[in-house]
Amino acid sequence: SQELEQSPQSLIVQEGKNLTINCTSSKTLYGLYWYKQKYGEGLIFLMMLQKGGEEKSHEKITAKLDEKKQQSSLHITASQPSHAGIYLCGAAYSGAGSYQLTFGKGTKLSVIP
Amino acid sequence: SQTIHQWPATLVQPVGSPLSLECTVEGTSNPNLYWYRQAAGRGLQLLFYSVGIGQISSEVPQNLSASRPQDRQFILSSKKLLLSDSGFYLCAWSLGLAGLGTDTQYFGPGTRLTVL
Repeated sequence: SQELEQSPQSLIVQEGKNLTINCTSSKTLYGLYWYKQKYGEGLIFLMMLQKGGEEKSHEKITAKLDEKKQQSSLHITASQPSHAGIYLCGAAYSGAGSYQLTFGKGTKLSVIP
Repeated sequence: SQTIHQWPATLVQPVGSPLSLECTVEGTSNPNLYWYRQAAGRGLQLLFYSVGIGQISSEVPQNLSASRPQDRQFILSSKKLLLSDSGFYLCAWSLGLAGLGTDTQYFGPGTRLTVL
């Protein structure tokens, strides 16, 4: 089974609404990275979380890592069309190779004006 | 500031033809370099990484190879393409050990490869 699960797979929201994307790991994380991808483009780094209970914000996007370091959430407040895209979480695991990130399959976000 | 370039942006190749994708990084020295493939419904898969010139590690057995002839240049190659090689290829760089949660991987714009 997949080590890193993202939910939901896709999300359609009305502009101005809040939304949450989840990333759940089957193992304890050493670090959790959030990226955004527009179709056909590269990944844009959003935030990295490392400590249990850590929370970071950038503009209207907030990411949290739970105390057990097995689940992260990405919350967007007052969504805008510019938030549309695919959100991917990438996990750093001990023992998985120091250079490797394991990625979820992504959450496709559509924002309707 | 650091920038990462990939070319070509798109490529359509026949089965059995060779492949060469190039990635270059500017504004940093001695980066770790990565090649990923993103296939529909399968997420992002690490293919190769390199911690220095001439040092290549392969994560999965496949029809592809990688080389790092210069500090900031990473090349993905194949002698004979297969249909299954189609996908979106992404190059990335980092300064530290992203797998330990202490550094970030930054991605290039990607190359869309279609093998017919």
